[in-house]
Amino acid sequence: AQSVAQPEDQVNVAEGNPLTVKCTYSVSGNPYLFWYVQYPNRGLQFLLKYITGDNLVKGSYGFEAEFNKSQTSFHLKKPSALVSDSALYFCAVRDLPKAAGNKLTFGGGTRVLVKP
Amino acid sequence: DGGITQSPKYLFRKEGQNVTLSCEQNLNHDAMYWYRQDPGQGLRLIYYSQIVNDFQKGDIAEGYSVSREKKESFPLTVTSAQKNPTAFYLCASSDAGRGNTIYFGEGSWLTVV
Repeated sequence: AQSVAQPEDQVNVAEGNPLTVKCTYSVSGNPYLFWYVQYPNRGLQFLLKYITGDNLVKGSYGFEAEFNKSQTSFHLKKPSALVSDSALYFCAVRDLPKAAGNKLTFGGGTRVLVKP
Repeated sequence: DGGITQSPKYLFRKEGQNVTLSCEQNLNHDAMYWYRQDPGQGLRLIYYSQIVNDFQKGDIAEGYSVSREKKESFPLTVTSAQKNPTAFYLCASSDAGRGNTIYFGEGSWLTVV
């Protein structure tokens, strides 16, 4: 069975400093990996995904993520954090064959707090 | 505007009542999903549908029911059999391919009173 782990419940960072949100995964085949962000009382917004190709994926709002197959990781990064980046971040994986559906399995989420 | 519309945003249910959450999408997506989110926790899949008139149970389907009579609509009924229904419910949709992105609606809060 596929699974995703986000080892940090919360990440605190000062505005202007680099931001990293960690994600590791476990799948039986090739992973399709996704990052989403959720603001309070809102739905999830798609940030970026890794399907194949370059290990460094660039997404919305200046975020990027690096796929590392040997470490089974897909950490989300932003070079310079903004106060407005404060939100809940979810990593998700999909590796099931089509017959079993295209559903995503989500990690538990990491709350990011960017302080001015 | 294209997107996924969930209604109502807030819903209160009395003990023993069934309630239905609406989800409509105009993205022409084949697949639709319902997730449940509890405070401080991740998302868990309730039901999903890859095509009209077909749907599959997710990880926590007990106490819930769905229908998919139209491509654009995927309503979720929370039945009285669901013992702890208070949660944030998220509807989502995507094209059918594995690499396609799942997009989410704005969610509905259900509270038992």
